[in-house]
Amino acid sequence: SQTIHQWPATLVQPVGSPLSLECTVEGTSNPNLYWYRQAAGRGLQLLFYSVGIGQISSEVPQNLSASRPQDRQFILSSKKLLLSDSGFYLCAWTDGGLGAFFGQGTRLTVV
Amino acid sequence: KNQVEQSPQSLIILEGKNCTLQCNYTVSPFSNLRWYKQDTGRGPVSLTIMTFSENTKSNGRYTATLDADTKQSSLHITASQLSDSASYICVVSANDYKLSFGAGTTVTVRA
Repeated sequence: SQTIHQWPATLVQPVGSPLSLECTVEGTSNPNLYWYRQAAGRGLQLLFYSVGIGQISSEVPQNLSASRPQDRQFILSSKKLLLSDSGFYLCAWTDGGLGAFFGQGTRLTVV
Repeated sequence: KNQVEQSPQSLIILEGKNCTLQCNYTVSPFSNLRWYKQDTGRGPVSLTIMTFSENTKSNGRYTATLDADTKQSSLHITASQLSDSASYICVVSANDYKLSFGAGTTVTVRA
């Protein structure tokens, strides 16, 4: 069966520090991968999506970047975190059909 | 622009009562519509998935309906339980790559 792993679950980072959130998928190949951010009381905002290795599309220009070094690995990064980067980050994947699954999320607090 | 609007934004119901959540969308061309349940601080979990040809789909006490002509969907919760307290998110897919999210409806079930 397909599973998605996202870590860490919670993270507290100082302003100006780097960020690396990782997401991996098991049980499928060539998934479409997504990074979303959910601000408190708000809906999900698509940050990046990838349809293949090395293929990254950015939806919203910001302080973040994404990379897909392997077929089932998706990484969200920042060189210098801002206070406004705080939020709940979700990784998701779809198989091009009806399946769409989310990781358990990472609660990022920038202090 | 593809949009998904959910109503109400939040609602409070007594345990054992029924409730209905609404989702209107302008996503085109329509591929499928999903309802997710998201507990606080967790990733969304799929409840139902419907394609263009499906009018209703049930998952236990959750029943989703879809009217592709009017571009409306509803999620009905029957005999609510305290564990139903969560955010319910409507997600509409226009193609394989992009998912359009509603802002969610926060349901609070009280004893």
